[in-house]
Amino acid sequence: EADIYQTPRYLVIGTGKKITLECSQTMGHDKMYWYQQDPGMELHLIHYSYGVNSTEKGDLSSESTVSRIRTEHFPLTLESARPSHTSQYLCASSGPRTGEHPDTQYFGPGTRLTVL
Amino acid sequence: RKEVEQDPGPFNVPEGATVAFNCTYSNSASQSFFWYRQDCRKEPKLLMSVYSSGNEDGRFTAQLNRASQYISLLIRDSKLSDSATYLCVVNEVTNTGFQKLVFGTGTRLLVSP
Repeated sequence: EADIYQTPRYLVIGTGKKITLECSQTMGHDKMYWYQQDPGMELHLIHYSYGVNSTEKGDLSSESTVSRIRTEHFPLTLESARPSHTSQYLCASSGPRTGEHPDTQYFGPGTRLTVL
Repeated sequence: RKEVEQDPGPFNVPEGATVAFNCTYSNSASQSFFWYRQDCRKEPKLLMSVYSSGNEDGRFTAQLNRASQYISLLIRDSKLSDSATYLCVVNEVTNTGFQKLVFGTGTRLLVSP
């Protein structure tokens, strides 16, 4: 069972607002990821982190930013939300775990964001 | 060419049927392979890792063909609860040495009574 959490689960917000999507995991994983997924479409990696104070942009260009000040916490921020940011945002983590492949990623339940 | 290619389906099968999904990947350096399952509007969940010798987990069997860069998933005795999208996943190393996973677009399976 994955111990990775995301809040809020649903967010409806107006254009121009600053938002932060929270993600935390209690598995001690060093690597964390943010993906964006539209309904019926593929996952796109937008940010990843090797560990504390290490973040990189993913394959899909995103106006969001991330930080990794603590191992367990990987928040994503949008300074000024726009309707084009409407999507599902999925957080994941990976790391060595007894009996499992170290590259296995575990996903949080996602945040469904709607920007009006 | 996409890094991971799958037939999007949907595959419509009756309960009890055997169904197989295929997936091809483009990066010959890939070393880790997985099948994930994603239910509608939910997060992806690991179904199984795929090993070179092939592996089985109950009704599910995964095979890897490195020479053809091809992965398969076989589901026997399909259940209604198997209805979902099945994602083929392959690892890739970035130019900074980071291992990331590349997800296919998924194959949708619908199992009917």
